[in-house]
Amino acid sequence: EPEVTQTPSHQVTQMGQEVILRCVPISNHLYFYWYRQILGQKVEFLVSFYNNEISEKSEIFDDQFSVERPDGSNFTLKIRSTKLEDSAMYFCASNHGQGVTDTQYFGPGTRLTVL
Amino acid sequence: RKEVEQDPGPFNVPEGATVAFNCTYSNSASQSFFWYRQDCRKEPKLLMSVYSSGNEDGRFTAQLNRASQYISLLIRDSKLSDSATYLCVVNMPSADYKLSFGAGTTVTVRA
Repeated sequence: EPEVTQTPSHQVTQMGQEVILRCVPISNHLYFYWYRQILGQKVEFLVSFYNNEISEKSEIFDDQFSVERPDGSNFTLKIRSTKLEDSAMYFCASNHGQGVTDTQYFGPGTRLTVL
Repeated sequence: RKEVEQDPGPFNVPEGATVAFNCTYSNSASQSFFWYRQDCRKEPKLLMSVYSSGNEDGRFTAQLNRASQYISLLIRDSKLSDSATYLCVVNMPSADYKLSFGAGTTVTVRA
C-alpha cells in the first residue's frame, strides 16, 4: 500500500536555526498538507498546497514558515528561525482531491525539538 | 467556540465491554466527518468515515446527527488493541479539504 514518508524522524536544533522537514506524498495525490501537534495538544492545520502553490494557511503559518515542492516527489516545510514553541510533531499529509470524502493519509511525522 | 469538541475521557473499560463517546462540531457547513485513531506519538490513521445514515465497520459504529451537529463512535466487544486516542475530524468547508481535529478521546481497555 502506498504511504506518505517523512524525514528525519527526529530533528533537534538550537533556537534561531533554520530547519527543513521533508515529505514524500503518495505519488498520484494532488493536495499536500502540513499539520503540527504540540505534545499533549490537538493536531493543528498549518498549510495546504495544490498546483504548486499555497492553497490555504493558518494563523500559525507566519513569515517564518515556507513550503516548497522542489521536484516531482518531495514536499518540504522550512522554518527559518526556530523558536522554542515550534517544538512539536509535524505531520505531512496528502490526498487525491477527489472530493470532500477523500481520505487524507498522514506520514509518520517528524519530531522537532528546539533547544 | 472550538471547531471540534470531544470528551477527553479517559474511558477505562474491561475487555469485551462496549464504549461510546461523542464529539460536536461548530460549522454547520462542514461536509464530511471522520474518526481517526492515534496511538502514542504516532500519526493519525483513518478508522472510518462517518455518513449521514450511520455506518458500521466490524465492531465500530459511527453516527452523524447533522441537526445537532454531533458525531458518535461506539466500540463493541473492546479488545486490548483498541486502546488509543480517538480523534474526531471534520472536513472544513474550503476548496482544499483541510481537516479540523478534536483534541481526542482516550480509551484504555484493560484485561
